[in-house]
Amino acid sequence: DTGVSQDPRHKITKRGQNVTFRCDPISEHNRLYWYRQTLGQGPEFLTYFQNEAQLEKSRLLSDRFSAERPKGSFSTLEIQRTEQGDSAMYLCASSLGITDNTGELFFGEGSRLTVL
Amino acid sequence: GQQVMQIPQYQHVQEGEDFTTYCNSSTTLSNIQWYKQRPGGHPVFLIQLVKSGEVKKQKRLTFQFGEAKKNSSLHITATQTTDVGTYFCAGRGGSSNTGKLIFGQGTTLQVKP
Repeated sequence: DTGVSQDPRHKITKRGQNVTFRCDPISEHNRLYWYRQTLGQGPEFLTYFQNEAQLEKSRLLSDRFSAERPKGSFSTLEIQRTEQGDSAMYLCASSLGITDNTGELFFGEGSRLTVL
Repeated sequence: GQQVMQIPQYQHVQEGEDFTTYCNSSTTLSNIQWYKQRPGGHPVFLIQLVKSGEVKKQKRLTFQFGEAKKNSSLHITATQTTDVGTYFCAGRGGSSNTGKLIFGQGTTLQVKP
C-alpha cells in the first residue's frame, strides 16, 4: 500500500499521560499536514511541513502539542499531559507542494485518541 | 484568521432529489477544494477550483467558484444512496503564499432510498 499510513490507529490513555502518533506520507510528497477532527466537525488545521521545515502552526494549538518531521519523510505528533478535551481523531495528510499551492491532500485513516 | 463556513449542516433528501451545499470564506481564496468523507472514513479529494467564476462537472456533481473567490457551491443532481457522506470545502487564503488548507464544518447528506 503506497498511501498515507498512521500509527497507532487507536490509542486510549489516562489524563496526564503523553502520547505520540506517527505518520508516513506518500513517498514523493514533500508536504505533510496534521489535522484534528471531532464528531460532526470538519478537520481542524494543526500544522504543516514542507520537507523538514514546519511552515505554519495553528495559534489554537497549545504548547502541549509538538510535531516533527526530522528527515522530511515521516512525522510525529506528540501531545504532552493529555486532557480529556484532546480526545479526537488525529488525521495526517500529505501532498505534492507546488509553487502555486494547489496540491490536493491525501489523508491517512487517522489515529483515534481517547483520554480517560 | 481565515474562516470557512458551510451550510446547511445536514440535509436529508429522497433518492433522486437534488442537493446543494454552500461554502463561504471570510477572506478571498487562492483556490478551493472539495472533499467527501464517508461514515467512518477519511476525507477524499473530489476537485479543485482555482479561477474566478470557474465551473467544473464530474458526472452528476457540479462545482462552482464565485466571481469574488470567496464562495463556492457543490450541486448533486438526482442523488443516489452512494452519495451519502459529509462534503467539505477547504480553502487556501489568497492574500498570502500559504499551503495551509482550512476546512469548513461540512454538510452531511443522507439519502433515503
